[in-house]
Amino acid sequence: TQLLEQSPQFLSIQEGENLTVYCNSSSVFSSLQWYRQEPGEGPVLLVTVVTGGEVKKLKRLTFQFGDARKDSSLHITAAQPGDTGLYLCAGGEGGSEKLVFGKGTKLTVNP
Amino acid sequence: GAVVSQHPSWVICKSGTSVKIECRSLDFQATTMFWYRQFPKQSLMLMATSNEGSKATYEQGVEKDKFLINHASLTLSTLTVTSAHPEDSSFYICSASTDYNEQFFGPGTRLTVL
Repeated sequence: TQLLEQSPQFLSIQEGENLTVYCNSSSVFSSLQWYRQEPGEGPVLLVTVVTGGEVKKLKRLTFQFGDARKDSSLHITAAQPGDTGLYLCAGGEGGSEKLVFGKGTKLTVNP
Repeated sequence: GAVVSQHPSWVICKSGTSVKIECRSLDFQATTMFWYRQFPKQSLMLMATSNEGSKATYEQGVEKDKFLINHASLTLSTLTVTSAHPEDSSFYICSASTDYNEQFFGPGTRLTVL
């Protein structure tokens, strides 16, 4: 079974700070997706990366897929209170439509 | 695009009753839908994979007779929790898969069994 380790598990920062969330595995994934989930709601897809070394930017969020497609990172610049939420990474297993989810990073951005 | 709805958003029922949750892909056809369960402050746990017109594939440890899944069309899958008990209380989330293997999630259903 493929596993995804997310770190840190919890992160509490002040508005305006930068942060990075990591998602690591010993397995290769065909794709890597990042989601953000708010309490009582379903996860919302932020980005999908499929190519090793790929970097995608979404406003203040930068996503990177490792060259070997075993790890990924999410960097947020100048965090805002609206960024608060649970960030989940999920890896696509080759030949399967199932996703393997990390345990999530609970981010709190204090005003 | 890629909007998934769930109904109901929350339900409270008595122990021993059955509860049906609907999952619909509103603006795309999904050959595959997934059902997850999420406990407080935890990540998503995949319960089953549902393909239109065929039997669902359940993950290890998930009772197929307790959690009945029906995927009658390319836009609708249902999860029925049969003879619900308090330990079945949880947040149930469905997702629908696109041709690009991306999963789009519904808003979730909060089930409370008294």
